Amino acid sequence: DTGVSQDPRHKITKRGQNVTFRCDPISEHNRLYWYRQTLGQGPEFLTYFQNEAQLEKSRLLSDRFSAERPKGSFSTLEIQRTEQGDSAMYLCASSLAGTGRDLYGYTFGSGTRLTVV
Amino acid sequence: KNEVEQSPQNLTAQEGEFITINCSYSVGISALHWLQQHPGGGIVSLFMLSSGKKKHGRLIATINIQEKHSSLHITASHPRDSAVYICAVPPRATNKLIFGTGTLLAVQP
Repeated sequence: DTGVSQDPRHKITKRGQNVTFRCDPISEHNRLYWYRQTLGQGPEFLTYFQNEAQLEKSRLLSDRFSAERPKGSFSTLEIQRTEQGDSAMYLCASSLAGTGRDLYGYTFGSGTRLTVV
Repeated sequence: KNEVEQSPQNLTAQEGEFITINCSYSVGISALHWLQQHPGGGIVSLFMLSSGKKKHGRLIATINIQEKHSSLHITASHPRDSAVYICAVPPRATNKLIFGTGTLLAVQP
């Protein structure tokens, strides 16, 4: 296992287009998180899954954003009708949780940098 | 006021110096994370701790749950330690992380 993989690393898109990002977590991790980071800021929580269930979704996630983790393995994050304000680094992380708590911390992917022009 | 505050925001040190980065938080937590991010790069988890002290190589992290404060120390700093160091906490009853704004460390040779 090579850690958390994100694809693509970079995406440039025109305003109004739809984009989809993929995250492959560490295989034995049951939790998967999506965060967004804009320049000079710390990451902000978007959503997370425990296995295939999406358990929490931030108010930052407008109706244009949707995330799935269909088989409890990889996850996709789709942004419809992109806006310039969506330009950011989208980070995925995974963890192994037991009795509600993260046991060993997070493993982060390298992120997908989205630029909307 | 942010729920997670870090100080200093920027730090420049000479190679070999002992470095301390501080983190204070205002929410109840079960654990605290220290993370490292290189410019343009992904985030690497350094420590997750819920009490006392942890050490990994030249890095030491301490936490005082009662005072809601944690410190990250780097001994014998090296230019390759230059990065942003981020403190993050998962508030109780939630599984998401709240991040501090980070400390930008530059270690000069």
